[in-house]
Order: sequence, then C-alpha cells, then structure tokens
Amino acid sequence: DGGITQSPKYLFRKEGQNVTLSCEQNLNHDAMYWYRQDPGQGLRLIYYSQIVNDFQKGDIAEGYSVSREKKESFPLTVTSAQKNPTAFYLCASSISEGFYYEQYFGPGTRLTVT
Amino acid sequence: QKEVEQNSGPLSVPEGAIASLNCTYSDRGSQSFFWYRQYSGKSPELIMFIYSNGDKEDGRFTAQLNKASQYVSLLIRDSQPSDSATYLCAVKILESGGYQKVTFGTGTKLQVIP
Repeated sequence: DGGITQSPKYLFRKEGQNVTLSCEQNLNHDAMYWYRQDPGQGLRLIYYSQIVNDFQKGDIAEGYSVSREKKESFPLTVTSAQKNPTAFYLCASSISEGFYYEQYFGPGTRLTVT
Repeated sequence: QKEVEQNSGPLSVPEGAIASLNCTYSDRGSQSFFWYRQYSGKSPELIMFIYSNGDKEDGRFTAQLNKASQYVSLLIRDSQPSDSATYLCAVKILESGGYQKVTFGTGTKLQVIP
C-alpha cells in the first residue's frame, strides 16, 4: 500500500522536552510538508521541503526544526522553544505536473504537552 | 487581510438540499485551488481541485472559480448526512525560487440535517 505514515497517533510530553514526530512516505513524492492545526482552525504551514537536503520555513516555523536526509522521510522536532506545542500535526507530500497538483496527508499526530 | 478566507459556519442544510460553500483569496498569482473535506479528528481528504475559470463537476460536487473576483466555491448537490464535515479551501502559489506553497483557509463546518 502506498501512502504516508505518521507515528505515533497520540504523543504526550512534559513541558521543556523536545519531541520528534515521524513522517514517512512511499509515494516517491519530492515535496513534503508539515502543518499544524489547532481546534476550530485551518492548517498552518510549519516547514516544507521540495527536495532532499533542502527545506523552507513556513508561516509558523519558530520553535520547530526539520531535516530531509532521505526522500521518504521528513521528521519534525518540536523544541522547548515552541510556546504552545499542543496541537494536531499533519504531514503531507505532493505531486505536481504542470497545473496538476495533489497533496496527500498522513493520519496526523496529536501532541499534548503538559 | 487573511490570504484565504472562509465563513466558519456552521452552515446547516436539510438532507437533499444544495450546500454552497465560499472562499476568497488575496494573491492574484494563485494558480490552483482545492477543496478538502475533514471529518473531526481525521486528516483532510481532497475532493476537488480547479485551476481554470468556470465550473468543474465531479459527481455531486461542483467547484466554481472566478479569478477576476478572486473567489472559489463548492456546491454539494443532494446533500447527505455523511457530508457533515469541515470543508477547507486551499490555494497554491508559486513562490520565488520555484517553491510551491499551499495556504489553507480556516474551514467551513457543514451540518446536513436528516
């Protein structure tokens, strides 16, 4: 089965700890994304990567870091500098040809920091 | 002004009626436009995308794009209770350097009343 996997589904951490969220895709997509969603809100872009070893900050990158060492993997680290880390985190990958563009989402990780 | 704006709702329609969801965007350079459906606690799933002015139909769904007025809409015909979800409008922009960035609205919650 092709798709995007995120693990774990639920994650609990104490304040002050860094935590890394996993995102793996076997769709052979070049581009990958991390979004954050808060209750009743849309998706806000944290980081995105168009190719391996390259990534760009999104709209709310402060307190987060990423790496893209392999095409299949795009892990997100939520650092202790992120003031309100509790949220639903969504990873996505995309395919693009001309005007055609489709973005696929993983099942998400719900992070709770107390 | 937000880049992508939607009425948060809830929009309530009776079963069998037409649901009309609207979205406006601010960047005239926007290339592609998407409608995602998101059930509570789940990740978004793509239901329609459009990049040319006019209408695009797929089953009970019709997307309408008017670039001059900078709005995109989604019509759902013969609404079913299973259509009850939050509908996210998203817009793709090609940034400098060739990066494709997708920005989401906050979503409209649709309730279909049996």
